Amino acid sequence: DADVTQTPRNRITKTGKRIMLECSQTKGHDRMYWYRQDPGLGLRLIYYSFDVKDINKGEISDGYSVSRQAQAKFSLSLESAIPNQTALYFCATSDFRTGTDTQYFGPGTRLTVL
Amino acid sequence: GQQLNQSPQSMFIQEGEDVSMNCTSSSIFNTWLWYKQDPGEGPVLLIALYKAGELTSNGRLTAQFGITRKDSFLNISASIPSDVGIYFCAGQGIDDKIIFGKGTRLHILP
Repeated sequence: DADVTQTPRNRITKTGKRIMLECSQTKGHDRMYWYRQDPGLGLRLIYYSFDVKDINKGEISDGYSVSRQAQAKFSLSLESAIPNQTALYFCATSDFRTGTDTQYFGPGTRLTVL
Repeated sequence: GQQLNQSPQSMFIQEGEDVSMNCTSSSIFNTWLWYKQDPGEGPVLLIALYKAGELTSNGRLTAQFGITRKDSFLNISASIPSDVGIYFCAGQGIDDKIIFGKGTRLHILP
């Protein structure tokens, strides 16, 4: 079984709809992250969480919100989706108690906003 | 803020050739990470480097943590078709935040 899972893997939605992307991990890691990937732009950090109920903005948080209600789950919401939020979204986890922030990624969610 | 410059952006090589890519920055990093992303998948960690000067291998892959702590390189020897993909470097700075390079897309010609 995969250590970091994301649902759904693919989603097509319309402008203005509310969308939630889910991430779950069985690694027991304390930190979780949401990234967005666009062609030629690499990975850009949206939000991150160091522990349950801890939420921090990343580089491109506008138009997104997150929730960390349990250590194993970190969800990303688009309150009112717009076409330029069409992208690949990745969740990642890390165990900072090891002394480093080496991150492990989920398989990604491909989101298309029409 | 901190930035990583990853080069080259893309490479076209013949099967069997060796590959070299690198990341540089004006900032100091405490950790360097190298990931590979296959089409439709998330990045997978290849090699992690935690000490300046460290040289680490993973099969045909070798990566080094630059002695100045501002750069790292990844070499792939004797490339094979399954090496195709996007390779990302990532650095963890003194503020403990991880930043990613924009990736090197590797193409292998038959």
